[in-house]
Amino acid sequence: NAGVMQNPRHLVRRRGQEARLRCSPMKGHSHVYWYRQLPEEGLKFMVYLQKENIIDESGMPKERFSAEFPKEGPSILRIQQVVRGDSAAYFCASSVDRLEGYTFGSGTRLTVV
Amino acid sequence: RKEVEQDPGPFNVPEGATVAFNCTYSNSASQSFFWYRQDCRKEPKLLMSVYSSGNEDGRFTAQLNRASQYISLLIRDSKLSDSATYLCVVNYGGATNKLIFGTGTLLAVQP
Repeated sequence: NAGVMQNPRHLVRRRGQEARLRCSPMKGHSHVYWYRQLPEEGLKFMVYLQKENIIDESGMPKERFSAEFPKEGPSILRIQQVVRGDSAAYFCASSVDRLEGYTFGSGTRLTVV
Repeated sequence: RKEVEQDPGPFNVPEGATVAFNCTYSNSASQSFFWYRQDCRKEPKLLMSVYSSGNEDGRFTAQLNRASQYISLLIRDSKLSDSATYLCVVNYGGATNKLIFGTGTLLAVQP
């Protein structure tokens, strides 16, 4: 039973480019969460999605960031026109029930140069 | 006030020592509580859930005090492999129920 799969593991983008981060939840998990961890900081909630629905995006920056979880395929976190401050580890997690603990993917480390 | 507050440490302890971490949370509507462990530059991993009655898993014991909004983790007989950052995690409550992570307490177990 594969865990939460994230790709790519490492992503380098130049300022102004777009970054697309993908996450496939664990089999049977319909709740997906994205978190960002800046260097030397804690995990910050970004967005919570269920299939085809954004449930809570209170942690998403208002501009340049978007997320989706289509009926088919992985969840995508999209960052347009990246800036140096977007450099961070982005973790995706999934759960079978919203009251249970999450299982995390191994993260995507985004570096903006 | 931070939603979840932890002492960042570091806690430097010798092998075999007992160490305790504390955490406070601000949202009285929270229903679920966890301790996660994060090794350097890796993903957080669920260590244990925390229940009002307290729970134990081998060398690890977790306690919850709802009245004081306080959570603790006790590690007995520390091993070198216990060295990591320990994250106190609380659900936000309400419809979204997102998990809020503390910034973590760094534990370094010395030989």
